[in-house]
Amino acid sequence: EPEVTQTPSHQVTQMGQEVILRCVPISNHLYFYWYRQILGQKVEFLVSFYNNEISEKSEIFDDQFSVERPDGSNFTLKIRSTKLEDSAMYFCASIGVYNEKLFFGSGTQLSVL
Amino acid sequence: KNEVEQSPQNLTAQEGEFITINCSYSVGISALHWLQQHPGGGIVSLFMLSSGKKKHGRLIATINIQEKHSSLHITASHPRDSAVYICAVTQGGSEKLVFGKGTKLTVNP
Repeated sequence: EPEVTQTPSHQVTQMGQEVILRCVPISNHLYFYWYRQILGQKVEFLVSFYNNEISEKSEIFDDQFSVERPDGSNFTLKIRSTKLEDSAMYFCASIGVYNEKLFFGSGTQLSVL
Repeated sequence: KNEVEQSPQNLTAQEGEFITINCSYSVGISALHWLQQHPGGGIVSLFMLSSGKKKHGRLIATINIQEKHSSLHITASHPRDSAVYICAVTQGGSEKLVFGKGTKLTVNP
């Protein structure tokens, strides 16, 4: 079965540092998402991306966050100046136009110290 | 804003038992997803429903749009079914998934 790939699986950073989380969605998919899950809490929507632009974003996705699809395969989430409360598992997901199934990556565990 | 509630929060069963996990939501939706989250954290999509019923192997998902309720059933449960099962919904005009808190299922041999 096709897979969404995320790297790194774990990222430890100091508060105030920039991090880039990377995702390779499934090749023929057109809709891409970032979600996050703080330990012990529900999964939360961050942003959706279609046709090379943000189609929807949540209140969490403030000016410190940005997304990019720099080439035909990668989809990145950048956090400019990390805060302690950004510590979470970040999931990338993708879905095709006619595909009923949403595919998630295995996540990047971000720890901000 | 859609509130997604799941019950029970925790469920322990013996191998072979029939399992039901419930999900209710507060506002009309365009689709409902059942997801499985493994202990390592990875999330797998099980079903996407907008009406009726779907079956895949030992898993059955049903939805009642009028009652704003969905159920996930597992027949002949097995220890490998142990995971957190999450209900999530999308509303018309929005792509984002709104997640429930999940139901932690433990199936003992």
